[in-house]
Amino acid sequence: GAGVSQSPSNKVTEKGKDVELRCDPISGHTALYWYRQSLGQGLEFLIYFQGNSAPDKSGLPSDRFSAERTGGSVSTLTIQRTQQEDSAVYLCASSLGRYSPLHFGNGTRLTVT
Amino acid sequence: ELKVEQNPLFLSMQEGKNYTIYCNYSTTSDRLYWYRQDPGKSLESLFVLLSNGAVKQEGRLMASLDTKARLSTLHITAAVHDLSATYFCAVDKTGYALNFGKGTSLLVTP
Repeated sequence: GAGVSQSPSNKVTEKGKDVELRCDPISGHTALYWYRQSLGQGLEFLIYFQGNSAPDKSGLPSDRFSAERTGGSVSTLTIQRTQQEDSAVYLCASSLGRYSPLHFGNGTRLTVT
Repeated sequence: ELKVEQNPLFLSMQEGKNYTIYCNYSTTSDRLYWYRQDPGKSLESLFVLLSNGAVKQEGRLMASLDTKARLSTLHITAAVHDLSATYFCAVDKTGYALNFGKGTSLLVTP
C-alpha cells in the first residue's frame, strides 16, 4: 500500500520567508509525527498528533514553528520567517498509535538561503 | 533528559566479517527501536524491542536489549554490501517522542 507521502521533496527559500510542508500519512494510521534531521543535531522530535487529542508540541524549537492536522489525516508544518538554522530535512511519520513502530516519509529537504 | 549514544559512529568492514553496533541510553526505558537509512532515503523500521532480554533476528542482523544495563546491540553476521547504510537506535519514554542516537554509518567493502 501507499506509504507516508511528503511534499515538496525539496524547498529552497529565502531567509525571512514562510514555508509550508505537507504530509499525507498512511491510511488508517491515527498517530502522526514530525521530526527534523540535520547534520548538527541529528534526528529531533518536533510534534505528535494522536487522533483528536491535543498535539504534543514540546519539540517545536521556537514559536515560528507550528503544525496542524486537518480531519485526522493530512498535516501541514509551517515555519514562519525562516532562518538559516532551519535548513534541514523535515521527516513526517505515521503509526497505528502510541508505541507502534513509526513509518517515515522520504522527507522535505529545506534550504534557507 | 534521555540521552542515546551509539558507537561506533563510523564502521568500515569487509564482506563476510561480523561486527556489533552498541546503543547505550541514560534512563530507564522498556522500548527500543532500530532503524536503517539508505543515502537520500527515509528511515526504515528494522526491530522493535519491548522487554528485557528481547532478541530479534532478520537475515544477517540480530538485535538484543538489556534494560538493566540500558544497552542494545545490533549484531551483523557475515556482512554483505547490501547492508551498507546508516543504522539508528531510538528510545522512548512517552510512546511517541523518540530520542535517536546519532547513527552508525556502515560501509561494507569487498
